[in-house]
Parts: sequence; structure tokens; C-alpha cells
Amino acid sequence: EVQLVQSGAEVKKPGESLKISCKGSGYSFTSDWIGWVRQMPGKGLEWMGNIYPGDSDTRYSPSFQGQVTISADKSIGTAYLQWSSLKASDTAIYYCARMTTVTTGMDAFDMWGQGTKVTVSS
Amino acid sequence: SSEVTQDPAVSVALGQTVRITCQGDSLRSYYASWYQQKPGQAPVLVIYGRNNRPSGIPDRFSVSSSGNTASLTITGAQAEDEADYYCNSRDSSGNHVFGTGTKVSVL
Repeated sequence: EVQLVQSGAEVKKPGESLKISCKGSGYSFTSDWIGWVRQMPGKGLEWMGNIYPGDSDTRYSPSFQGQVTISADKSIGTAYLQWSSLKASDTAIYYCARMTTVTTGMDAFDMWGQGTKVTVSS
Repeated sequence: SSEVTQDPAVSVALGQTVRITCQGDSLRSYYASWYQQKPGQAPVLVIYGRNNRPSGIPDRFSVSSSGNTASLTITGAQAEDEADYYCNSRDSSGNHVFGTGTKVSVL
């Protein structure tokens, strides 16, 4: 079965660090980009960035550049999203998603992880 | 501007047709993809590009585009289509941009 499985919910304090994971299985993990998407409580979807696990080429949304780090370990088929110092405003559900590209100008996130809920509170 | 806007909410009678629109300059150069999200669930890709539907997505979902506007049409809406819908495209820098989302109510 082709799937992305994310790590479990986290409760952290402001200032703490965190790394959440997204493990792909059932397909060639190194051949497709993986994106990370934030959804704050009651709000819409926000693209954070993408990584190509084959060579770790990473692209960040300007809104998230410098705020998070996206990485991948292709040997274990896992992508990561990490924070060095969490803020209360990082409270959200974070989704990873595989990106499929049909041709230039036509791509889509065709498979999503179940989401990781991150709560940051003192 | 890289902003992509959608109507906040639309309603449709059971079995009727509803169109959800997505507007933004990025849509002049990139095809949109569309995602359905039900409460408490992860988003699901329903259609992208030129009417490319993933396996299991019914053909009552279709797309069209003109200029800076992309549209998702649900023909013969069913109760299970009630959800939030988001479009996605890319801006001129290649960054992904999600639309603001549309809540679809099936009456």
C-alpha cells in the first residue's frame, strides 16, 4: 500500500525544539517531492516547503524560510520538519504530502499523511 | 501578487450543480489542483490539471479555467461532497500557493 505515515501528536513549551517525521512506503521515496503544509486551528492550508529526497534539494515558502528546517533521510524513506525554538503560534496540524508532476505547469499533492498535531503552550 | 482567492462558502441543493472558483495571477501560468477536506481529516486530491482525477474520485468532479480563474464543478452534488475545498497553484517564483478555501454545504 502506498502511504505516508506521520509521527504522533506533540505537546511542547515555547522555546523547545521539535522534529516531526513523515515516512513513505509502497513507492520510490527518492523519486517524488514531499511537501509540508500547515493548518492552524480553524484556518486554511498553507504551503511551507518541499524537499526532493533523492538529493535533498529543498524549497521554502518565503513565509517559512528561516522559521523551520525541512530535511530527509532517503535511507529510511523519511522526511522531517523541525523547529529550533517553538512559539505558541506554531500550534497547528502539519501535513506531509507527496507531489506528483505530470508535466511542467501541472503537478499536485496526490497523497497525504494523516497529519501531526503540534500544541505549543506554557 | 501570489494570492489565490476563493469564495468563502457556497451551498447547493442535493443533486444540483455547483461551481467553486479560484482566482489569482498564478493561474495564468499553472494548472490548479483541487483538494477536498472533511472535518478532522487530511485533505484529499480530487482533480488536477486537465481533468485528471485520482483513482476512486467520481467523474461528477470536473475543472475548467479561463485567464486568472480556475473552476471546480460538482455536477449532481451528493451529501458526501459537503466539505472544504482548496485550490493550489504556483506563483511566478515556483512557490506553491493554496487558495483561501471554500466551504461547500449540500442542502
